[in-house]
Amino acid sequence: QQQVKQSPQSLIVQKGGISIINCAYENTAFDYFPWYQQFPGKGPALLIAIRPDVSEKKEGRFTISFNKSAKQFSLHIMDSQPGDSATYFCATSEANQGGKLIFGQGTELSVKP
Amino acid sequence: NAGVTQTPKFRVLKTGQSMTLLCAQDMNHEYMYWYRQDPGMGLRLIHYSVGEGTTAKGEVPDGYNVSRLKKQNFLLGLESAAPSQTSVYFCASTQGIEQYFGPGTRLTVT
Repeated sequence: QQQVKQSPQSLIVQKGGISIINCAYENTAFDYFPWYQQFPGKGPALLIAIRPDVSEKKEGRFTISFNKSAKQFSLHIMDSQPGDSATYFCATSEANQGGKLIFGQGTELSVKP
Repeated sequence: NAGVTQTPKFRVLKTGQSMTLLCAQDMNHEYMYWYRQDPGMGLRLIHYSVGEGTTAKGEVPDGYNVSRLKKQNFLLGLESAAPSQTSVYFCASTQGIEQYFGPGTRLTVT
């Protein structure tokens, strides 16, 4: 059973455009929602994360929007750059569960110059 | 400060062979994890450890065993490799929230 559903599977954006990746979850006990970025041949690295007590978090060109009632959260990349081309994973975790992360299926982003 | 390291980086096994993947971290983290990454399926948790001497099953533990004899090391074992275990394996560690990942081990079972 997929606890976290991520879409789209792949995304092509022009340089300077906005990239949007969406995730939906089922378990209302989840209380931590990170996004990880992975470049080819590398391990994932934390990009930005949010807790459910806020609806939005912004760090530079990266923004997480969180909709608790809809059980959805999304990553927005403003002014997308070719260097942003990577695979992005959303994830969730529940308190007191050993820090385990449940990942979405991943989105392969390609930013064209 | 090397962070999280994994050995080996690549390995090819024949069906039925065994091997051990080693993960080491130098950040004194309590929690360590083994994930496998397959196309279209994200990362799935195999086993994890919340401290030295402890291990627990994750989402896809069948066919794998783990040990955490030292705080800095987390070993993943395949006793009898199967083609379905062809994957990229990632180790991660954390002291609380952010998980730090190693560079991965690409395993092919023929």
